[in-house]
Parts: sequence; structure tokens; C-alpha cells
Amino acid sequence: SQTIHQWPATLVQPVGSPLSLECTVEGTSNPNLYWYRQAAGRGLQLLFYSVGIGQISSEVPQNLSASRPQDRQFILSSKKLLLSDSGFYLCAWEKTAALGYEQYFGPGTRLTVT
Amino acid sequence: AQTVTQSQPEMSVQEAETVTLSCTYDTSESDYYLFWYKQPPSRQMILVIRQEAYKQQNATENRFSVNFQKAAKSFSLKISDSQLGDAAMYFCAYRKNPSNYGGATNKLIFGTGTLLAVQP
Repeated sequence: SQTIHQWPATLVQPVGSPLSLECTVEGTSNPNLYWYRQAAGRGLQLLFYSVGIGQISSEVPQNLSASRPQDRQFILSSKKLLLSDSGFYLCAWEKTAALGYEQYFGPGTRLTVT
Repeated sequence: AQTVTQSQPEMSVQEAETVTLSCTYDTSESDYYLFWYKQPPSRQMILVIRQEAYKQQNATENRFSVNFQKAAKSFSLKISDSQLGDAAMYFCAYRKNPSNYGGATNKLIFGTGTLLAVQP
């Protein structure tokens, strides 16, 4: 069966510091991968998605970047965090068309920028 | 652009009763997928149910079922025999089927959510 991991679970960082959030998927190959951000009490905002190694599409211009160095690894980064980067970050992998494009989410990272 | 609307910010149901959460969406596409996700206090998003637009039959998963009205662009979720563990935020989501376009149309569009409380 497939599993998706995210770490860290919680992170408190000062403004201007760098960020690296990691997401890994097990039990599947070449999945589409996604990074979402959720503000408190709000819906999900798509940040980045990737259809393969080194292939990144950005949905929203911002202070963040993403990379996919390996097939099942997706990294969200920032060189200098802003207060507005605070939120709950979710990584997801997606099943194929034959399986209805269902997306499955990791446990998330709660980021607080102080 | 496609949009998803959940007009009920909060709902409440008695344990063992049935509740229906509403969702409407706007799209000019004919081939797409609809989903309901559950987000409990742990904040992990959990897939509840999926509906393909080309299927006339409403999807069901145990106590969860949908009422999919394609012409009305409505996709409601019915929870039968509600349990305390059903208390969560529920999100409706839409995804265009990209296979007919040959490109990456990968966006899952979410509604703003409905917070469901289950009263013992």
C-alpha cells in the first residue's frame, strides 16, 4: 500500500530564515505530487505540482520554491521566510486516471513564522 | 474559471441521525471528477468519496453517499447514522479531466468547507 510522509510536523522559524519541508511517498512510482497551503479556517491553496523528476509547475507567485530531486521526493523551500508564509502545509500524491485522480495527503507541517 | 461553493459554513447533527452537506460548482467542462474530503482536528485531509461526471450512478462508501446532479451542478454529501468520529471540516473539490487535453491540467479546486459538529 502507498504511504506519504511529511516532516517536520511542526516548525517555528524567525522571519528571514530559510525553510525546507520534505515530502516522500512510498509504494508507488512516478506519482504526480502537490504542495498545498491552508490558512487557519480556510480552504486549500495549490502552491506547486510536479509530474516528474525536475518538473515543477507553480500556481502562485510567491516567496517559495519547490524541487523534485527524486521520483518520490518533493521539497518545499524558501530562502527567506515572511510572516505571511505561516500556515499549514500539505503534500499530496495523486492516483492515475484509471483510478480517478484521487489525491492522498500527508499529515502536514504546521509552520509558524515569528 | 471553475469554482466550488459550499454555502453552509457550519452544520450540526445528532449522533445516529442523517445529515446532508451541500456543494455547488461552476464549470463549462463535461468531463470532470468531484470529491469530498474530511479534515478532522488532526488536520490530515482524508478522501471520503469520489464521483466521475460521466457516471449517472451516485457514488456510495459505507455510510457516505452523494447526490450528484450534473445539470444543476450540485454535489451533496449525505452521512447516514452519524458518529462522533464524523465531526470534522468537510471540503468539496473539483478536478477537470486532463486526459482530453494532452496537457497538465492538474488543479484540484476546493470549496471553503463546512464544519460538521456531531452531538451525542
